[in-house]
Amino acid sequence: AQSVTQPDIHITVSEGASLELRCNYSYGATPYLFWYVQSPGQGLQLLLKYFSGDTLVQGIKGFEAEFKRSQSSFNLRKPSVHWSDAAEYFCAVRARPGGSYIPTFGRGTSLIVHP
Amino acid sequence: EAGVTQFPSHSVIEKGQTVTLRCDPISGHDNLYWYRRVMGKEIKFLLHFVKESKQDESGMPNNRFLAERTGGTYSTLKVQPAELEDSGVYFCASSYDRLEANVLTFGAGSRLTVL
Repeated sequence: AQSVTQPDIHITVSEGASLELRCNYSYGATPYLFWYVQSPGQGLQLLLKYFSGDTLVQGIKGFEAEFKRSQSSFNLRKPSVHWSDAAEYFCAVRARPGGSYIPTFGRGTSLIVHP
Repeated sequence: EAGVTQFPSHSVIEKGQTVTLRCDPISGHDNLYWYRRVMGKEIKFLLHFVKESKQDESGMPNNRFLAERTGGTYSTLKVQPAELEDSGVYFCASSYDRLEANVLTFGAGSRLTVL
């Protein structure tokens, strides 16, 4: 069965600083990978996804993520954080067709942005 | 297009009472999912409907939880009787296709507090 680990419960950064949120997954092959963000009072919004091809994927709001097969990781990055990026971020994994199509989520990382 | 709508946004009930959560998916989305997040934990899958049929209910915690999707449109999740450990945020999501290009669109969640 697939699983996702987000090792950081909270991350605090200063506005303008760079950001990296970690995500490691467990799955027997290359899965589908997602990052979602939840702002207060909002639903989970898809930031980006990786299905195949270029291992560096670009998403909305200036975010990007890199799939590293050798490390089973899919870390989320942003070069310069804005105060509005303060939210909770969830990594998710889903098997390719033929496996379970139900996405499995991590426990989330809460991002705090200092002015 | 209207997003996924969940009601109520927050419910506070006493242990032993009954609560019904409602989800209105995006029009035309045959797939509807329920997830739950207990504070600080991962977002856990509860069940999946395809139209009005339960495709996968492997994540339902016990028989105090009953999900329905009459007519393949909106869905309800009833908890009866509620226990303290049922507290958390219940998310609903919908998608058009569960296969290759499946990306879930989430609602804002229904926060349940059992006292």
